[in-house]
Amino acid sequence: GQNIDQPTEMTATEGAIVQINCTYQTSGFNGLFWYQQHAGEAPTFLSYNVLDGLEEKGRFSSFLSRSKGYSYLLLKELQMKDSASYLCAVRAAPNSGYSTLTFGKGTMLLVSP
Amino acid sequence: NAGVTQTPKFRILKIGQSMTLQCAQDMNHNYMYWYRQDPGMGLKLIYYSVGAGITDKGEVPNGYNVSRSTTEDFPLRLELAAPSQTSVYFCASKGERQYFGPGTRLTVT
Repeated sequence: GQNIDQPTEMTATEGAIVQINCTYQTSGFNGLFWYQQHAGEAPTFLSYNVLDGLEEKGRFSSFLSRSKGYSYLLLKELQMKDSASYLCAVRAAPNSGYSTLTFGKGTMLLVSP
Repeated sequence: NAGVTQTPKFRILKIGQSMTLQCAQDMNHNYMYWYRQDPGMGLKLIYYSVGAGITDKGEVPNGYNVSRSTTEDFPLRLELAAPSQTSVYFCASKGERQYFGPGTRLTVT
């Protein structure tokens, strides 16, 4: 089975930096995804890590440590529009069948002026 | 490209009624998925398909059925609606990453 943990809520100020952590336990690992979801909307893809290290994409970066079962999403120069839920998802490498994503419960980020 | 489309956007059902949630994608993806999202509970996989004619159960399949007769379409069927099926339903398809449809908000009363 798989277990994914991330904080329920975080708050930050416009212009600041925030780090959203995700820890996971899985019987097999084949990649970690971060999605952003604004209220009432569908999730949209932010980042993908399959090897250890940092992936940077504009104001957003994602880090992965497979040995620690740990990832974080780093958001820099926060803007009001970054207020959203951030979903961590793990893709397992199954012994048989096809790999699917397991999602964490999401971290609601509130950016204040 | 329209991407992933879902209909309807909203629906209210009475207990025991049945309905089909429609999902279509125009990206020629083989993989398609149905999730439900309850408040504070994240996305739970209901069913998925790896190609036309092939479907498999996810984490929470009870009370639902699917079919995949074409690459484009992946409808989700609720046969006997129950209040526990009140949720937001998202369909997704996968190329390199999963692309989500806009969702269907279903209320069963």
